[in-house]
Amino acid sequence: DQQVKQNSPSLSVQEGRISILNCDYTNSMFDYFLWYKKYPAEGPTFLISISSIKDKNEDGRFTVFLNKSAKHLSLHIVPSQPGDSAVYFCAASAKTGRRALTFGSGTRLQVQP
Amino acid sequence: EAGVAQSPRYKIIEKRQSVAFWCNPISGHATLYWYQQILGQGPKLLIQFQNNGVVDDSQLPKDRFSAERLKGVDSTLKIQPAKLEDSAVYLCASSFGTTGELFFGEGSRLTVL
Repeated sequence: DQQVKQNSPSLSVQEGRISILNCDYTNSMFDYFLWYKKYPAEGPTFLISISSIKDKNEDGRFTVFLNKSAKHLSLHIVPSQPGDSAVYFCAASAKTGRRALTFGSGTRLQVQP
Repeated sequence: EAGVAQSPRYKIIEKRQSVAFWCNPISGHATLYWYQQILGQGPKLLIQFQNNGVVDDSQLPKDRFSAERLKGVDSTLKIQPAKLEDSAVYLCASSFGTTGELFFGEGSRLTVL
């Protein structure tokens, strides 16, 4: 049972354009959401997060939007740069229990120069 | 600040052999996690420690996998005997508490032949 889903395995955009990565979740107990970026042969690195009390969080070129009613979040990268090419994982933790992160399957972003 | 250290980076073994992975978390981080990432999938939690106690090992295949965190600092993950489906990257992560951002190591890639 996948509680965090990233339905697009890959995305290709042109440099300077917007990249939009999507994530859906099913567990209504999730209250904290994160995006991680992963380069080949490296561990995932934290990118940006959002609490369920907010619907938007912005950090430079990266913005995360949360739609609780739709159980959907998205990561916007504007403008996209070739160095953003990586696999992006959506992750969530629940307000009860162990609070370890549950990850989606990832979206590979390719930014074309 | 030193990051999460893992070793070995790569390991190739034959099925039914045993293997051990080591992790040293960021200094002062009380919570340590082991995740398994199979190719094309997101990281899946195997076990979570809080100091030297186990918080959650519900997804650890206990017939073949074991983990310990003696003295609440570094940790080892052992697989014995290994199966072909254990081929994956084993990621160690740590966090200051049980909420928020996890910091990942570079991972240990296991190939079982």
